Amino acid sequence: GQNIDQPTEMTATEGAIVQINCTYQTSGFNGLFWYQQHAGEAPTFLSYNVLDGLEEKGRFSSFLSRSKGYSYLLLKELQMKDSASYLCASMDSNYQLIWGAGTKLIIKP
Amino acid sequence: EADIYQTPRYLVIGTGKKITLECSQTMGHDKMYWYQQDPGMELHLIHYSYGVNSTEKGDLSSESTVSRIRTEHFPLTLESARPSHTSQYLCASSELDRGEVTGELFFGEGSRLTVL
Repeated sequence: GQNIDQPTEMTATEGAIVQINCTYQTSGFNGLFWYQQHAGEAPTFLSYNVLDGLEEKGRFSSFLSRSKGYSYLLLKELQMKDSASYLCASMDSNYQLIWGAGTKLIIKP
Repeated sequence: EADIYQTPRYLVIGTGKKITLECSQTMGHDKMYWYQQDPGMELHLIHYSYGVNSTEKGDLSSESTVSRIRTEHFPLTLESARPSHTSQYLCASSELDRGEVTGELFFGEGSRLTVL
């Protein structure tokens, strides 16, 4: 079956770096998405990886290894506003997104 | 900023009532989606559409219907609401290129439904 695994919750300190891991098993693969979702709000797009390697976008970077079915989201210089859930989603061969349950990131001062 | 709107934002309704959740987008996107999301859980696809007069069922579609008469409008209808329908419903849209999704999903603010 299709499955996305990511940690349920992580805690980090303001100003630090945190890495959120995601492993995926989907029928075919057409890319890996990361979304940010603040409590009570809609998800917003962070990144998309379809080739192996690291994509950097400001304080956020996303990495993909297709052979390992693995991705991570790296957040640098953490700010309090980064407290949110981070959703990993893999696009399968039918171009449908398979979503993880999200990782709740708690930032402490 | 995404131009996709959902109404109502919050709705409390009794069992057995018929409800329609509205979703409109002004970005001209062909593909639109309805997702259901419970707190701390993954998004579940209910219905999606590739364009006008196209509707497809997702994982949780059996108790709801959708229509796509206009590109910008994709309403979701529950014919008879039940307490098990209590959840957040998210509408989203994306661009379509050569029949494939190429970009990000833009989400509406969500409709939080409570069925008593």
